Amino acid sequence: AQSVAQPEDQVNVAEGNPLTVKCTYSVSGNPYLFWYVQYPNRGLQFLLKYITGDNLVKGSYGFEAEFNKSQTSFHLKKPSALVSDSALYFCAVRDGNAGNMLTFGGGTRLMVKP
Amino acid sequence: DTEVTQTPKHLVMGMTNKKSLKCEQHMGHRAMYWYKQKAKKPPELMFVYSYEKLSINESVPSRFSPECPNSSLLNLHLHALQPEDSALYLCASSREQGLPTNEKLFFGSGTQLSVL
Repeated sequence: AQSVAQPEDQVNVAEGNPLTVKCTYSVSGNPYLFWYVQYPNRGLQFLLKYITGDNLVKGSYGFEAEFNKSQTSFHLKKPSALVSDSALYFCAVRDGNAGNMLTFGGGTRLMVKP
Repeated sequence: DTEVTQTPKHLVMGMTNKKSLKCEQHMGHRAMYWYKQKAKKPPELMFVYSYEKLSINESVPSRFSPECPNSSLLNLHLHALQPEDSALYLCASSREQGLPTNEKLFFGSGTQLSVL
């Protein structure tokens, strides 16, 4: 089965500093990886995806993610954090062996302080 | 219109009540999903409808009954729920359930359900 892991329950960063939210994956074939963000009392919003091609993927709201095959990682990054980036972030992998359903990681809460 | 609309936003019900959650999208998507999310946890897939037919049921108890009246609507009928069923219920849609594998999901804002 395919899976993703987010090793940090919470990440704290000061506004203006760079941020990284970590994700590692385990897949048997080609990985199809996604990042979603969830603001309080809201549904999940798509941020970005990696299918093939460039290892650096750019997404919404200035976020980007770096695909690293040797380290099986897909970390989410942003050069300069905003207080409004504070939210719950989910890494996900599409499982071709389970009807192409998304399997989510446990989530990481990002807290950006002024 | 790129929205998935869910009603109601909040619902409080007793264990003997019958209620329904509603979800609507007008993006022409042919796959619709129900997820259950507990606080600070990832969403857990409950049901998938593809072309208005139930495609996946993740062994959900029968007190949850999904219905897809047409390609734009998805309901979740609730009966005799337990307090542990209290959660955020999210609806989502996508163009197709299967390929292509780069398909993204569009989520509604959810219904926060409390079972007393």
